[in-house]
Order: sequence, then structure tokens, then C-alpha cells
Amino acid sequence: SYELTQPPSVSVSPGQTASITCSGDKLDDKYACWYQQKPGQSPVLLIFQDDQRPSGIPERFSGSNSENTATLTISGTQAMDEADYYCQAWDITTGGLFGGGTKLTVL
Amino acid sequence: QVQLQESGPGLVKPSETLSLTCSVSGGSISGNYWSWIRQPAGKGLEWIGRIYINERGKYNASLKSRVTMSVDTSKNQFSLRLKSVTAADTAVYYCARAPYIAGPTNYYMDVWGSGTTVTVSS
Repeated sequence: SYELTQPPSVSVSPGQTASITCSGDKLDDKYACWYQQKPGQSPVLLIFQDDQRPSGIPERFSGSNSENTATLTISGTQAMDEADYYCQAWDITTGGLFGGGTKLTVL
Repeated sequence: QVQLQESGPGLVKPSETLSLTCSVSGGSISGNYWSWIRQPAGKGLEWIGRIYINERGKYNASLKSRVTMSVDTSKNQFSLRLKSVTAADTAVYYCARAPYIAGPTNYYMDVWGSGTTVTVSS
């Protein structure tokens, strides 16, 4: 079955750029999306269709997908961006699937 | 603005069936995939499945033998049934919307419910 792999944790200093990766076999043959989840809250869609931002999502969030890796980039990271981040894709055989999640720490 | 709200028992006994409903307000249940996702305490998100009106549901292979999803257009609701539950099914259950117009493989969930906690215990 298809799998998506994320690093468990990423740390970044305020104002710097954070990159969170999501790896899967030939992932760029699929569409990747990203969610942000803060404690006690529902996930929020940040990026869809690899690099598209829904309305209301700040421009500092961007996405890309190349070969085996999709990347979520947060430019000018703020304290409020501290959260768990999940990638997600659709596989014809497996169906919907999420990466294991990455905890972003802003320190 | 579409809103989703999960409802159902917060406590289910082992071996029984978990039944949840998601009510859709502010929009039609037509024209979208409807999904269920769950999250055990302190763990990641797990996709349970999705359904579209008049189509068979697509389910997580690990749950497929126990899961049924359905859509009730008259009530603007969709439902999840998970049979033969065990303690491993204890989690927060979310319902979510995925735009059908994006296509079957361009699958992303743009509206989520607030989640409901289900505990499996005797």
C-alpha cells in the first residue's frame, strides 16, 4: 500500500523559513495537500493541488511537489504557526492517506 | 458558508456498532465528496473513507470489512457505521467535505466539522 512519510518534528526560529517534507513513491504523480492542526482544534486546509492556497490562508504558506517529495514552506514563521502539520494525497489503490504529521516548534 | 456538525453516542461498548451522523448546513450535500477521518488521542489523522451521492463508498482497506457510509439527501446528512468496535477505535471522529469538481484524484478536504469524541468501553 502507498505511504506518506513526514519528519516527526521541525524547529524554526521566529522570522525564519520552515520547510516540512512529505515523501512518497512518485508523489508528483499525485496531488498533495497540507493541513494545519492546533491543539484541540480541527485541521485546517493550508494548501491543495500541490501549491494552491485557499482564500484566507496567509501568503507565507506555500507548497511544491517534485519527484518523490512534497514540501510545505512557511516564510517568516510566526509563533502562531506552531502546530502539527499533515500532508495528504489520494492513491487509486489505497484511497485517501495522510502522512504521520510533523510538529512544528517555533523557538 | 458550509458548516458540518458530527453527532452520535460518545460511548460505545466493545463489539457493538459505532454510528455517527454529520449534518451539513449552509450548503447542499450534492456536488461534494463526504469523508470521515479519525484521530486517536495524541496520534495522527487516519482516513476512514469517502462517499458521493449514488456512488459506492471508498474505504480505508484496514477498516473496509467493518465500515459503511451513506448519504441522506432529504436530511442533508451523511453517516458512518463502524461495526464490531474495540478499544482501538476510540478516537475523535471528524466529518469533512471534499470538492467533487476537483476530480476523484485531486482530493482535499476544505471544510471540517469540530469533531466528536467516541470512547469504546464497557
